Amino acid sequence: RKEVEQDPGPFNVPEGATVAFNCTYSNSASQSFFWYRQDCRKEPKLLMSVYSSGNEDGRFTAQLNRASQYISLLIRDSKLSDSATYLCVVTLFSGGYNKLIFGAGTRLAVHP
Amino acid sequence: NAGVTQTPKFQVLKTGQSMTLQCAQDMNHEYMSWYRQDPGMGLRLIHYSVGAGITDQGEVPNGYNVSRSTTEDFPLRLLSAAPSQTSVYFCASRLSRDTLEQYFGPGTRLTVT
Repeated sequence: RKEVEQDPGPFNVPEGATVAFNCTYSNSASQSFFWYRQDCRKEPKLLMSVYSSGNEDGRFTAQLNRASQYISLLIRDSKLSDSATYLCVVTLFSGGYNKLIFGAGTRLAVHP
Repeated sequence: NAGVTQTPKFQVLKTGQSMTLQCAQDMNHEYMSWYRQDPGMGLRLIHYSVGAGITDQGEVPNGYNVSRSTTEDFPLRLLSAAPSQTSVYFCASRLSRDTLEQYFGPGTRLTVT
């Protein structure tokens, strides 16, 4: 079983739609959680952290459910520029340092 | 700040050739790492370094060597390239092993024929 699992998509949505991605993780000792965004043929960039209480950044809302070991990302009012792959990242303290574990990503395609 | 830089952007190698992928950062970050990204798989850690002179193996170290003689530079050496090493390679850095926000370089697309 992969440590971090994501639906690869693609999610094809029209502009203005609301779309949600989920990500599950296998290790209950995972401590911190993030969403990264990766544009086609570019490097991953941090989109937002995910806090236990849930957090919002403009049109983006991230939530964490520790009991069920999943995190989610909700994008409201989708824009063409939101088209990208969204990587779920969890951290685990192992071997004396924080190890970042990446999911394979969920691809989003927003069309006019 | 240039952030994390990588060279080359693209490279084609023949099986058995060796080469070095360069990575540099100008943010005075202690922690640097190399990942490879393959279709359908998450980024996988190859090697990492928690400071100058200190390196360690990640999840998929076989066939790769690293060194960290300065804080700024963290080159990745392919000793004898194999087709299985065809991938996109990303270098990353963060302030220290205890911090979490990680910055990536633009990547090197490597093809081994």
